[in-house]
Amino acid sequence: RKEVEQDPGPFNVPEGATVAFNCTYSNSASQSFFWYRQDCRKEPKLLMSVYSSGNEDGRFTAQLNRASQYISLLIRDSKLSDSATYLCVVNQVGGATNKLIFGTGTLLAVQP
Amino acid sequence: EAQVTQNPRYLITVTGKKLTVTCSQNMNHEYMSWYRQDPGLGLRQIYYSMNVEVTDKGDVPEGYKVSRKEKRNFPLILESPSPNQTSLYFCASSLTRRTGTYGYTFGSGTRLTVV
Repeated sequence: RKEVEQDPGPFNVPEGATVAFNCTYSNSASQSFFWYRQDCRKEPKLLMSVYSSGNEDGRFTAQLNRASQYISLLIRDSKLSDSATYLCVVNQVGGATNKLIFGTGTLLAVQP
Repeated sequence: EAQVTQNPRYLITVTGKKLTVTCSQNMNHEYMSWYRQDPGLGLRQIYYSMNVEVTDKGDVPEGYKVSRKEKRNFPLILESPSPNQTSLYFCASSLTRRTGTYGYTFGSGTRLTVV
């Protein structure tokens, strides 16, 4: 089983739609969670951290469910510019390292 | 501007010809790491460094070397590149080596083709 699993998509949605991505992780001891955005052939960029109580940044809302070991990202009022791959990221627990484990990403295509 | 700089952005080389991909960060970050990204496999860690002169293997270190002589630089060396090392490579850095609290800052990537 992969440490971080995501639906690869693609998710094709019209402008203005609300879209949700889920991600599951295997290590119940993980403590840091992130969503990254990656545009085609570009570097991943931090979109937002995910906190236990859930957090919101404009049109983006992230949720964490520790009991079920899943993380979600909700995008409201989708824009064409939201088209990208969204990577779910979880820290690896143990030792002194700062290793992050990346999911393979979910592709979002927002259509006009 | 705070950034991670990788060079070159694109590189085509032949099997067996040694090459170095440079990575430099100007944020005084302790932690640096190299990843490769392949379709369907996502980002896989090659090597990482927790500080100067401290390096360790990631998940896919075979065929690669690194060094960390200065805090800002973390070059990736392919002594004898092979076609299966054709990939998109990213250098990343992080402020602290613990907990993953701050996430990573990535360089712009190096697209390597080995023929």
